[in-house]
Amino acid sequence: AQSVAQPEDQVNVAEGNPLTVKCTYSVSGNPYLFWYVQYPNRGLQFLLKYITGDNLVKGSYGFEAEFNKSQTSFHLKKPSALVSDSALYFCAVRDIKTSYDKVIFGPGTSLSVIP
Amino acid sequence: DSGVTQTPKHLITATGQRVTLRCSPRSGDLSVYWYQQSLDQGLQFLIHYYNGEERAKGNILERFSAQQFPDLHSELNLSSLELGDSALYFCASKMGGDLYNEQFFGPGTRLTVL
Repeated sequence: AQSVAQPEDQVNVAEGNPLTVKCTYSVSGNPYLFWYVQYPNRGLQFLLKYITGDNLVKGSYGFEAEFNKSQTSFHLKKPSALVSDSALYFCAVRDIKTSYDKVIFGPGTSLSVIP
Repeated sequence: DSGVTQTPKHLITATGQRVTLRCSPRSGDLSVYWYQQSLDQGLQFLIHYYNGEERAKGNILERFSAQQFPDLHSELNLSSLELGDSALYFCASKMGGDLYNEQFFGPGTRLTVL
C-alpha cells in the first residue's frame, strides 16, 4: 500500500538559514512525488514534482527537492529561508503501477521561519 | 489564484442535514478531485471524476456522493451530517487523466456541523 510520512510536525528555522522539510514514502512500484504548500486559509499550491530523470528537482519560490530511491526519501530544501515561507507543507506520492489517479498526501509539516 | 473556484466559502449546518458543495475547475480541465482536510485525519482523497465519469474512489463515506456535470463543474453532496464531518473540503482540477501532472486546488469550503 502507498504511504507518505513526514516525520516532523513542526520545523523552525531562522530567516536566512537553509531549511529542510523531510518526506519518506512507500510504494510498490516507482513513485511520482510532489510537494505542495498551504498558506493560512488557502488551498494547496504546487511547488515541484519528481517524475523521472535528475534526482534534484527545482521548483517554485527557490525550493528544490532531492529524490533518493535507496532511502525512499524526497526532502524539500531551500538554501535561504524567508519569513514568507512560513506555511504548511505537504509531500504527496502517486504509485505509477496503479491504473487510477489517486494521490496520497502526507500529514503535513508546519514550517515557521523566525525573523 | 489557481483558477479553481468553490462555493460556498463557509457553511454552517446542523447534524442530520444535507449540503451541496460546488466546484468549478480551471478552464479546459477535465479532471476534478475532492479532498477532505481535518485536524485528525489530515488531507484525505475522496473521489476523482474525469469528463463526467467517476475514475477513482478514496475514503468517501456512503453518506457522501459526487457528480461531474456536462459543463465539467462538480458537486459534492453530504447527507445525514455528523459532527465529525466538520472539515475543510477542497476540490482540485487538472487537464487530463494522466498520473504525472500536478493538481490545482481551489480555496476550499469550510463546513461546520453543529
